Amino acid sequence: AQSVTQLGSHVSVSEGALVLLRCNYSSSVPPYLFWYVQYPNQGLQLLLKYTTGATLVKGINGFEAEFKKSETSFHLTKPSAHMSDAAEYFCAVSGSYGQNFVFGPGTRLSVLP
Amino acid sequence: AAGVIQSPRHLIKEKRETATLKCYPIPRHDTVYWYQQGPGQDPQFLISFYEKMQSDKGSIPDRFSAQQFSDYHSELNMSSLELGDSALYFCASSLSRPMASGENEQFFGPGTRLTVL
Repeated sequence: AQSVTQLGSHVSVSEGALVLLRCNYSSSVPPYLFWYVQYPNQGLQLLLKYTTGATLVKGINGFEAEFKKSETSFHLTKPSAHMSDAAEYFCAVSGSYGQNFVFGPGTRLSVLP
Repeated sequence: AAGVIQSPRHLIKEKRETATLKCYPIPRHDTVYWYQQGPGQDPQFLISFYEKMQSDKGSIPDRFSAQQFSDYHSELNMSSLELGDSALYFCASSLSRPMASGENEQFFGPGTRLTVL
């Protein structure tokens, strides 16, 4: 079984500051990990994913995440926040091909001018 | 590129009515998943289908049923609707046997927003 925790239901950063959204997972099998962004009243957009290979994953909009097996973490970062980054961010884990996703509770990112 | 299509995008029903949500997966995708996202909640897995057979079941109420058809589209049928069923319903599709690891991904549709009055 898989589960995901996201530390901080709401994170506020200033424009231009570092964004760090935390995600920890538990999985009984090697995990596939994902970050999705959801803007108000919109669907889920994939930011990045880790399946196999390089543990530092680069995604869209300048985001990246690092898979750390020893820490069971997959934190999302962006060096410089932009106002357009304000949204809800979900971390998700899947155990294998064709298996459903388990989502974390989400972190709402606010970007202050 | 073709994406997952969901219809309708918005649906308003009254309590005890029925609703049918439709999902058209990306061409070649053989697996469909349904998720429910309540207000302020994370998406919760309901049910999935692979090659027209139910492959996994999550927190789907007995009042709901779903199926996948020969053209791989899927329908989620919801009966005796309750106020608590008001949510955003996502469909996602994937390729069960990807040619490369990069294809191991679920692609989400835009969702159907169901409001039960």
